[in-house]
Amino acid sequence: DIHLTQSPSFLSASVGDRVTITCRASQGINNFLAWYQQRPGKAPKLLIYAAFTLQSGVPSRFSGSGSGAEFTLTINSLQPEDSATYYCQQLSIYPLTFGGGTKVEI
Amino acid sequence: QVQLVESGGGVVQPGGSLRLSCAASGFAFSNYGMHWVRQAPDKGLEWVAYIHNDGSDKHYVDSVKGRCTISRDNSKNTLYLQMNSLRVDDTAIYYCAKVVPGGHDIEWWGQGTLVTVSS
Repeated sequence: DIHLTQSPSFLSASVGDRVTITCRASQGINNFLAWYQQRPGKAPKLLIYAAFTLQSGVPSRFSGSGSGAEFTLTINSLQPEDSATYYCQQLSIYPLTFGGGTKVEI
Repeated sequence: QVQLVESGGGVVQPGGSLRLSCAASGFAFSNYGMHWVRQAPDKGLEWVAYIHNDGSDKHYVDSVKGRCTISRDNSKNTLYLQMNSLRVDDTAIYYCAKVVPGGHDIEWWGQGTLVTVSS
């Protein structure tokens, strides 16, 4: 199975900051990576798919980059509503797997 | 507007069975693959199962293989997860989810149904 390691597991930042979350795969997954945001008590929401494609309706301050086995989610100009847990998911090989999550506190 | 409404969760004893359902609306259900994803209390997300749009291809996480079966009825726009031999560590919120067009990434999530396995 492909293991995804997210870092950091927790980060605290201020409104307006730029934050970066990293997702490392145990093997290359091409660009088959998605990022999701989950606010407390809510279902997850797709932010980025195919590593860097912004899902419709998602603010442009979110962006994804990377390839192979290392990927990054960047949030520019952090907003209060961005307080959430963020997960990466690989869709290269079954079983699909998620990273452990990064909790962002503002 | 895409809607995914899960049902069928509840409290069950270890070794018991449940069938989860997910009623889909607002999109052409028969054109899209579907996933089940679960989340144990205060834990991260765990992918459980996937079914191709026509049911021809299915995949499972190892921990549920042989115990769970994903299926769908495209005439009823409904996704199912039959869960047998339930264990305490199956306790979780179970989400059904729709894929993006042409891919397997999860575009839409339901609100989830809680399964509690406890004696």
